[in-house]
Amino acid sequence: AQSVTQLDSHVSVSEGTPVLLRCNYSSSYSPSLFWYVQHPNKGLQLLLKYTSAATLVKGINGFEAEFKKSETSFHLTKPSAHMSDAAEYFCVVSDPQAGGTSYGKLTFGQGTILTVHP
Amino acid sequence: DSGVTQTPKHLITATGQRVTLRCSPRSGDLSVYWYQQSLDQGLQFLIQYYNGEERAKGNILERFSAQQFPDLHSELNLSSLELGDSALYFCASSQNDRQNTEAFFGQGTRLTVV
Repeated sequence: AQSVTQLDSHVSVSEGTPVLLRCNYSSSYSPSLFWYVQHPNKGLQLLLKYTSAATLVKGINGFEAEFKKSETSFHLTKPSAHMSDAAEYFCVVSDPQAGGTSYGKLTFGQGTILTVHP
Repeated sequence: DSGVTQTPKHLITATGQRVTLRCSPRSGDLSVYWYQQSLDQGLQFLIQYYNGEERAKGNILERFSAQQFPDLHSELNLSSLELGDSALYFCASSQNDRQNTEAFFGQGTRLTVV
């Protein structure tokens, strides 16, 4: 069974400082991992995805995430926060069902609300 | 704009009623997923269709049902509505049903049951 734990429900940073949003996952197989962002009253937008190629994944808007199998982590980072980054971020896992067949079902973490102060 | 269209954007209805939420996937996408987002449960997977067939089921109540039509649009039917069904319902689509294929989400339908 797959699951995702986002270690912080809220993260607050100042504009121009680094962002770290932490995510640990549990998966029986080799997972695919994603980060999505949800701005207030908006849908979910894909930031980046990991699918067993490079362990350091670059996404949109300067975000990147590193897949660490030994730590079962997939933390999201950004060197310098911008006011427009304020939103809720979701770490998401997708892994094959039993027997190796995958249907693309996504399991979401509980979300981390990022606040950016001027 | 993700290319996934959901209608209506907002829906207010009374307990016991039935509603239908509609989703048009991105052009060419064969898979459609439905998710429910509520404050207490977070984002929960409900059901997935692939090219007209039900592919996977999550925590979907028996009062809820869905289908995907030949033109690949999908509808989520919610009946005997309860106050606790109030939530944001998202539809997502992807090219196929593979593990590593990203899903694109619509703007959601906000359902309020009064």
